Amino acid sequence: QQPVQSPQAVILREGEDAVINCSSSKALYSVHWYRQKHGEAPVFLMILLKGGEQKGHEKISASFNEKKQQSSLYLTASQLSYSGTYFCGTEFIQGAQKLVFGQGTRLTINP
Amino acid sequence: EAGVAQSPRYKIIEKRQSVAFWCNPISGHATLYWYQQILGQGPKLLIQFQNNGVVDDSQLPKDRFSAERLKGVDSTLKIQPAKLEDSAVYLCASGPGKGKRTYNEQFFGPGTRLTVL
Repeated sequence: QQPVQSPQAVILREGEDAVINCSSSKALYSVHWYRQKHGEAPVFLMILLKGGEQKGHEKISASFNEKKQQSSLYLTASQLSYSGTYFCGTEFIQGAQKLVFGQGTRLTINP
Repeated sequence: EAGVAQSPRYKIIEKRQSVAFWCNPISGHATLYWYQQILGQGPKLLIQFQNNGVVDDSQLPKDRFSAERLKGVDSTLKIQPAKLEDSAVYLCASGPGKGKRTYNEQFFGPGTRLTVL
């Protein structure tokens, strides 16, 4: 039931774009995105709710495809500060109302 | 505003010993979470409190782990006795959500890194 993230790792040069995907085998109520830098706590980026509502940082964009139970996080014109591991957390429509996190996508931005 | 506080930040113990972690959530946050994060993996929810009541503890190994949230504020997570596979970072998070759905973001503390030898 853990969501699957892809890719597992990506290396970019500063200024390049990246897309991180999160797929679930179960129907989702919401998808949450967090970024975690090495040795630090995860930091909230965005929530996408079933039905289209979103809440998050202005510089972050994401989508939620309810038909496919997939979410994508779009990182454009990447900066060095974007480096870290990105986790999606999924909340299912059925069952316990809690977040199940994916295994993470490690993003490295080089100058 | 002050963030989520956790202590200790690091702990090294021998297997079969006991250990306790403490968490002070952001003031006014009704929901408190304890996660276990093993190196290279995403956080796994151990227990979720709404005020001082347990919402979900389905993944808490209850034969060795226990948690409480007295007066709906601070929380303590205990492991007794510890096993080698308990080595992980234990993250506490809090959120303002008062309903059953996680509408709001979770604010994570710095975590406690536990090493069991």
